[in-house]
Amino acid sequence: AAGVIQSPRHLIKEKRETATLKCYPIPRHDTVYWYQQGPGQDPQFLISFYEKMQSDKGSIPDRFSAQQFSDYHSELNMSSLELGDSALYFCASSSMQEPRGETQYFGPGTRLLVL
Amino acid sequence: DQQVKQNSPSLSVQEGRISILNCDYTNSMFDYFLWYKKYPAEGPTFLISISSIKDKNEDGRFTVFLNKSAKHLSLHIVPSQPGDSAVYFCAASEGGTASKLTFGTGTRLQVTL
Repeated sequence: AAGVIQSPRHLIKEKRETATLKCYPIPRHDTVYWYQQGPGQDPQFLISFYEKMQSDKGSIPDRFSAQQFSDYHSELNMSSLELGDSALYFCASSSMQEPRGETQYFGPGTRLLVL
Repeated sequence: DQQVKQNSPSLSVQEGRISILNCDYTNSMFDYFLWYKKYPAEGPTFLISISSIKDKNEDGRFTVFLNKSAKHLSLHIVPSQPGDSAVYFCAASEGGTASKLTFGTGTRLQVTL
């Protein structure tokens, strides 16, 4: 079965640069979520979108923005990168039209390293 | 403020025996609970979930128990297999469309031969 796709898988940036992470949800899933996992920590919710509209917002810095496009893929844009932004970034998707509609399925993650 | 807690950072179990992973939560608005398995540098893999209207859900070797009054849930794996060795995260949501997950801190399970 098709899973959540994230690109790139690895990204190295310098401080103050920008980065764009992409997420392609499972086909027919209408909801996308972004999470950040720092070293030795649990995943922390950043932001979610339902039907291309922002649904919920967590501890996402103002330097970050995200959107969901008409094909339901999502992009997380990160500007003025800081060393502390180095983490694993996960995207997840779900669909309330499915059984267990509240279950989120995660992608493999993008490992961002800021030097 | 850690709303979902897994108090055992690690657990070692012999192959064939039962693994019991525990999770406690403080937010009474949580009404949907999930367990994920995670390998290093990979995304969490969904294992099993339970709605707050139930107290037990079973799927193959995995069973999740929910005690709402105690705000406690547990994951039982029977029989444990070496391939089960991974970090297990408990997660909870308040339900509804696009509801975020709040994760526990994880328990590293090692299944020994």
